[in-house]
Amino acid sequence: EVQLVQSGAEVKKPGESLKISCKGSGYSFTSYWIGWVRQMPGKGLEWMGIIYPGDSDTRYSPSFQGQVTISADKSISTAYLQWSSLKASDTAMYYCARLGTSSSSFDYWGQGTLVTVSS
Amino acid sequence: QSALTQPRSVSGSPGQSVTISCTGTSSDVGGYNYVSWYQQHPGKAPKLMIYDVSKRPSGVPDRFSGSKSGNTASLTISGLQAEDEADYYCCSYAGSYTHVFGTGTKVTVL
Repeated sequence: EVQLVQSGAEVKKPGESLKISCKGSGYSFTSYWIGWVRQMPGKGLEWMGIIYPGDSDTRYSPSFQGQVTISADKSISTAYLQWSSLKASDTAMYYCARLGTSSSSFDYWGQGTLVTVSS
Repeated sequence: QSALTQPRSVSGSPGQSVTISCTGTSSDVGGYNYVSWYQQHPGKAPKLMIYDVSKRPSGVPDRFSGSKSGNTASLTISGLQAEDEADYYCCSYAGSYTHVFGTGTKVTVL
C-alpha cells in the first residue's frame, strides 16, 4: 500500500527555521516525483514545487523559488520542505503528494502538516 | 504562472448534474492533455478524481467525468449525491514538470 506520512504540526516564531518531512512507503521512492502543495487558512491549493528523489532534480513554482528549499534523502525514502526564516504569512497546511505514473497528476497525498508562525 | 480560473461555487439538488469549468491558457490547459481534478472535504487531504483530462482512477464513481475544449477543462458530476459536497480543484501541467492549480470551486448539494 502506497503511503506518504508527514511530520507533525509545528508552531514557530517569525525568523526561525523549519524543515518538515514526508516519508514514502509501499513503492519505489526513487522512481516517482514528490511535490509540495500549500493551503493557507480558508484558501485554495498552491503548487510549490517537486523533486525527483532518484537524482534530486527539483523544480519550483516562480512564486516559491527562493522562498523554500525542497530536498530528499533517498536512503530513508523521505522528502523535505524547509524554510530558513519563517514569516507569519507562511502559516498554512502543507501537503506532500506523489506524482503518478504519467507524471501528470498527484495520485497519493500525505495527511498534511500544519505550520503556524506567530510571535 | 497564474492560477487557473474556476467558479467560486456551484450547486445542485440530489440526482442533478453540475459542471465545473477550469480556464487556463495555451501554456497550460490548452497545451497539454494533462488536466487533473481533486476533491477535498473539510479538514481532509485532496483526493484525485480525474487525471489526463478524462480518466478515472480505480474506485472513483463513473458519475464523475472530465473533458476539455481549447483552454477550458470541465468536471461534470452526474447524479449528484450528498457526499459530493466538497471543494474541487483542477490542476494542469504547465511544462518542465511544473503544474498549476485552479482557484477552487465549492460544490453544494441543496
